Amino acid sequence: DIVMTQSPDSLDVSLGERATINCKSSQSVLYSSNNKNYLAWYQQKPGQPPKLLIYWASTRESGVPDRFSGSGSGTDFTLTISSLQAEDVAVYYCQQYYSSHTFGQGTRLEIK
Amino acid sequence: QVQLVQSGAEVKKPGASVKVSCKTSGYTFTGYYMHWVRQAPGQGLEWMGWINPDTGGTNFAQKFQVRVTMTRDTSISTVNMELSSLISDDTAIYYCARAHSIGGYSYGYYDYWGQGTLVTVSS
Repeated sequence: DIVMTQSPDSLDVSLGERATINCKSSQSVLYSSNNKNYLAWYQQKPGQPPKLLIYWASTRESGVPDRFSGSGSGTDFTLTISSLQAEDVAVYYCQQYYSSHTFGQGTRLEIK
Repeated sequence: QVQLVQSGAEVKKPGASVKVSCKTSGYTFTGYYMHWVRQAPGQGLEWMGWINPDTGGTNFAQKFQVRVTMTRDTSISTVNMELSSLISDDTAIYYCARAHSIGGYSYGYYDYWGQGTLVTVSS
């Protein structure tokens, strides 16, 4: 199985500042035939199911604010929130769907 | 609009089975694979498997292969997940999650989720 490792486990960021969450896969999730990275990001707020933010590593889901962006390729990926808002407090998960499906352990984002 | 509505919370004794349903609406039921993902209290997300509502075909994580069954009822646009031989570590919220589909091909990221069903296993 592909193991997904996120860093850090938790993150405190001031309102309006940039938040960066990293995700590393134990093997590449880049499919060479279509040059797509099979990597998604989700946001989960307390008491709610996860919400899709990003797929194909960098494609923003419809309705997701443009302060959320995804980058990276192969085995190293980043979710960036350019200007943290209060409503962004949540746990964030990366997920690979290249080979079966596995999630990172989650990163808890709070306001400093 | 797309909706996935799951059945209510369950309390089961060790060794029992539980069946969780996920009733869908707002889209073509047979056009999208449905996955099941669980989350133990205070823990992360764990993929369990998927069902193709069109054919009934399934694929499970190795960890659950001998204990999980996934079925569908196309007449009521509902998928079901049954987990047997429950142990306390199966206490979790169970989610159904629709996999995005493009041109009839299913990709494993989830664009809609059910609200979750808490299953508690306790003697």
